Amino acid sequence: DIQMTQSPSSLSASVGDRVTITCRASQSINSYLNWYQQKPGKAPKLLIYAASSLQSGVPSRFSGSGSGTDFTLTISSLQPEDFASYYCQQSYSSPHTFGQGTQLEIK
Amino acid sequence: QVQLQESGPGLVKPSETLSLTCTVSGGSINRNYWSWIRQPPGKGLEWIGYIYNSGNTNYNPSLKSRVTISVDTSKSHFSLELTSVTAADTAVYYCARQYTSTWYGSWFDPWGQGTLVAVSS
Repeated sequence: DIQMTQSPSSLSASVGDRVTITCRASQSINSYLNWYQQKPGKAPKLLIYAASSLQSGVPSRFSGSGSGTDFTLTISSLQPEDFASYYCQQSYSSPHTFGQGTQLEIK
Repeated sequence: QVQLQESGPGLVKPSETLSLTCTVSGGSINRNYWSWIRQPPGKGLEWIGYIYNSGNTNYNPSLKSRVTISVDTSKSHFSLELTSVTAADTAVYYCARQYTSTWYGSWFDPWGQGTLVAVSS
């Protein structure tokens, strides 16, 4: 199985901050990397697919980049509704695997 | 747009079979991949498996010996069975469409709201 490792596991930030979350794959996954946002008690929501494509309806302050083994999710200016958990997920090979998650908290 | 809704018992006894159904509305269940994903309380996400076009399935090897995913196109729903459950199978179970692209890979969207299944005597 391909291991996905996110860093940091948790992060404190303020409204208006620029935030970057990193996801590293245990082997090259080309650009087959997706990002999800999950709020407490809710299902995950797709933000970014194929490493850098913004899902329809997702605010443009979210962006993704990377290829191969290293990927980033950037939120350009944090809004109150962005405080949540974020997960990366690879679809290069089965089984599809997720990172352990990054919890973004209000400072 | 496509919406998904999980249903099934919230409590299952150890060694018994967990059975859940996901009802698809607002779109066709045909020619799509449909997945089950679970999340133990306070933990991360684990993909369980998918079904495509009534017959093709792919399961996570970690669960393969205990999992069956099936689909009933006449009822526009697909189902999960997980046998011989233990406390480690306690989780929120989500169903999701696994959108698959030749060039861009696949991703899960949309998701159902999730249903908590506890394994306890």
